[in-house]
Amino acid sequence: QKEVEQDPGPLSVPEGAIVSLNCTYSNSAFQYFMWYRQYSRKGPELLMYTYSSGNKEDGRFTAQVDKSSKYISLFIRDSQPSDSATYLCAMTGNTGGFKTIFGAGTRLFVKA
Amino acid sequence: EADIYQTPRYLVIGTGKKITLECSQTMGHDKMYWYQQDPGMELHLIHYSYGVNSTEKGDLSSESTVSRIRTEHFPLTLESARPSHTSQYLCASSGSGGVLTDTQYFGPGTRLTVL
Repeated sequence: QKEVEQDPGPLSVPEGAIVSLNCTYSNSAFQYFMWYRQYSRKGPELLMYTYSSGNKEDGRFTAQVDKSSKYISLFIRDSQPSDSATYLCAMTGNTGGFKTIFGAGTRLFVKA
Repeated sequence: EADIYQTPRYLVIGTGKKITLECSQTMGHDKMYWYQQDPGMELHLIHYSYGVNSTEKGDLSSESTVSRIRTEHFPLTLESARPSHTSQYLCASSGSGGVLTDTQYFGPGTRLTVL
């Protein structure tokens, strides 16, 4: 079983829709959770990070962590065609050595 | 904005050639990483470094080698390229904001094709 599971998609939505992207994980030692956005032919760029459980909002983006369910989410409000990219979740913690584990990424298409 | 650079961006070579993928960062980060990324797959860590003269192999078995002679430079070398090495190679670096906030910043990647 993978440590981090992420639906690869693709997910296709109309412009203006609310997008929900999710990851599940198995290791309860993970404490720091990140979302990266990767455009085609580019490297991943950090979008948001959260520590432990709770919500964090940044403009149209909201990151949510539910440690009891080992489930994290990224919500995108009023989605734009420029949001079309692959979104990777990542997490780290004291797992016997601090190492960042990445999900496989969800490919998102926002149609104008 | 992260300042981490990779060259070349694209490389097509024949089997058996020796190649070096360059990675440099101007942020003074101690930690640097090399990942391999294939379509639809998670990033696989192949090498990392915690500082000058410190290098470790990652989880994914790799026939490549790395060196860290200078803080800003972390090149990856394949002595004899094979078609199985065809992939996207991503370099990343992170600073010392405490291990739980050790956010990695990525370069644009090198897309390698071995014929």
